[in-house]
Amino acid sequence: GAVVSQHPSWVICKSGTSVKIECRSLDFQATTMFWYRQFPKQSLMLMATSNEGSKATYEQGVEKDKFLINHASLTLSTLTVTSAHPEDSSFYICSASTPLEGDTQPQHFGDGTRLSIL
Amino acid sequence: GQNIDQPTEMTATEGAIVQINCTYQTSGFNGLFWYQQHAGEAPTFLSYNVLDGLEEKGRFSSFLSRSKGYSYLLLKELQMKDSASYLCAVTNSNYQLIWGAGTKLIIKP
Repeated sequence: GAVVSQHPSWVICKSGTSVKIECRSLDFQATTMFWYRQFPKQSLMLMATSNEGSKATYEQGVEKDKFLINHASLTLSTLTVTSAHPEDSSFYICSASTPLEGDTQPQHFGDGTRLSIL
Repeated sequence: GQNIDQPTEMTATEGAIVQINCTYQTSGFNGLFWYQQHAGEAPTFLSYNVLDGLEEKGRFSSFLSRSKGYSYLLLKELQMKDSASYLCAVTNSNYQLIWGAGTKLIIKP
């Protein structure tokens, strides 16, 4: 159980393009979804926490107008990288928590999206 | 500040046992997680400790001492597929998840 699907898995696009990444919890309802970014050989960096039906909470240094997050339902959150530039190239990973396991919950991760901006 | 320390890299032999240590200083504690991450892939949940002691799950075990701010992940009967990064993460009193930088484990035949 606790499967998280992330799509697309790989995106290559031109500078200035906006890219949308979807994160779905397939067999559970996720009240909270998290978006991470990981540069090569570095640890995960939390970008934002997304709660269903409310505005996302962004980490310091993450531009909310650059990385638009929408968590419209209990099974879907989207991250849109607007006007992407080469420095936005990274591995983006979403995760979701299930409320059934109590307040402290393991995060179940999607497979990640590798974004390459040319 | 809050930080989690774990070794950057470790090497072990196939069939052997390896222990990956993690020490943490966080504002409160609500649980410690271990994740496995293969190169180019998303992390996979391995274990969760919230009380002191050892949690065993097959070849993997995780230990926690809250008074010492210390945990370890023990991997037995190492296989080549265990070559990966192992991430320690702690949930603090605000239920924020604080990540360690990960330990890259290299398994040699």
